[in-house]
Amino acid sequence: AQTVTQSQPEMSVQEAETVTLSCTYDTSESDYYLFWYKQPPSRQMILVIRQEAYKQQNATENRFSVNFQKAAKSFSLKISDSQLGDAAMYFCAFDMNRDDKIIFGKGTRLHILP
Amino acid sequence: SQTIHQWPATLVQPVGSPLSLECTVEGTSNPNLYWYRQAAGRGLQLLFYSVGIGQISSEVPQNLSASRPQDRQFILSSKKLLLSDSGFYLCAWSVMSGDTIYFGEGSWLTVV
Repeated sequence: AQTVTQSQPEMSVQEAETVTLSCTYDTSESDYYLFWYKQPPSRQMILVIRQEAYKQQNATENRFSVNFQKAAKSFSLKISDSQLGDAAMYFCAFDMNRDDKIIFGKGTRLHILP
Repeated sequence: SQTIHQWPATLVQPVGSPLSLECTVEGTSNPNLYWYRQAAGRGLQLLFYSVGIGQISSEVPQNLSASRPQDRQFILSSKKLLLSDSGFYLCAWSVMSGDTIYFGEGSWLTVV
């Protein structure tokens, strides 16, 4: 069965600094998708970034980028120039293409220090 | 544009009472539908997912059940709630595997 592990329950970063959130996953499949979702205090889930496993190029969205290491089954999220609005719970998610399940990790709570 | 609605937003129910949470999606056809539960320290736990009317896959064999009576309607039910059923329940949808998954506003369930 596929699993997603986020080993950092909480992290803190100074405003304007860079932080990296870790995510590892376990699968024997080669065709899948990976996501990072953000959950602010409002609890509304927001897509941050999406990565297709067959693409070697790391996805980027403005200040958010990923380091996708397929062989190591690692999918970390880098947030540059951290802003107060980035404070949230961040979830890593795995979607295997041949079925329709989407599995989430336990999340990392990110605090931004002013 | 597509929207997802989930209700009720908040629910306080006694142990042993029934549960019904409802979710509807507008603006799309034949979506994949999901129910997740978010409990403290456990992240987002997939409970059920559905790829079509009447097609329900269960990930967590508990006292919860799900039904999809219409294409864009997904219902989470229980005949008798347990204290451990308390949590934040999220309904979600996607067009297909690999696509972005969109979430509802969530339902807070407290079993007392």
